[in-house]
Amino acid sequence: GAGVSQSPSNKVTEKGKDVELRCDPISGHTALYWYRQSLGQGLEFLIYFQGNSAPDKSGLPSDRFSAERTGGSVSTLTIQRTQQEDSAVYLCASSFGTGGMNTEAFFGQGTRLTVV
Amino acid sequence: QQQVKQSPQSLIVQKGGISIINCAYENTAFDYFPWYQQFPGKGPALLIAIRPDVSEKKEGRFTISFNKSAKQFSLHIMDSQPGDSATYFCAASTGTGRRALTFGSGTRLQVQP
Repeated sequence: GAGVSQSPSNKVTEKGKDVELRCDPISGHTALYWYRQSLGQGLEFLIYFQGNSAPDKSGLPSDRFSAERTGGSVSTLTIQRTQQEDSAVYLCASSFGTGGMNTEAFFGQGTRLTVV
Repeated sequence: QQQVKQSPQSLIVQKGGISIINCAYENTAFDYFPWYQQFPGKGPALLIAIRPDVSEKKEGRFTISFNKSAKQFSLHIMDSQPGDSATYFCAASTGTGRRALTFGSGTRLQVQP
């Protein structure tokens, strides 16, 4: 596609349920990032994939959060046993990952997760 | 210390005025400093970026000023327009942008007509 695609755009789930959020990056981008944006707050880094390297999971807030990237393309962020504090917009971004001034990270529109 | 501190939290500017947003960082390993613009319901979009080997970069009405010794950088929007009303985030990363971005908390800019 032309841009980073995320689905669903909105998700309402009950506390304790598991959710899966999907990100389809720009074709050819080797780097993929997940961020979380709480209401009125900045973006909080969650996890980073670069090519076939082991992902940087240093931003995941708890072991309820996990992510995978299949075939170097589509990524899924999974939140198990959701809590109300997980409510936020989850943003995915991708880039060529080569560094330098042409390293723009392109963001999707996000998935708004509401845990009730 | 990975934190990037951004101010002000909100800003109201008259049309045609100059909008100034400031950021400060602690990690001297940061070597890539982008500014992102976000409209409601949209993901952030890159506005302009700078590396620490230059003190200023200008693109149209948008200018980044960078002070390496003070570990500060700022965004100046000249001739601000109502269409510039958005939330602006400064960010920083290492590896010349290869690594994940550390974002400031954002500045909500409102340009009044």
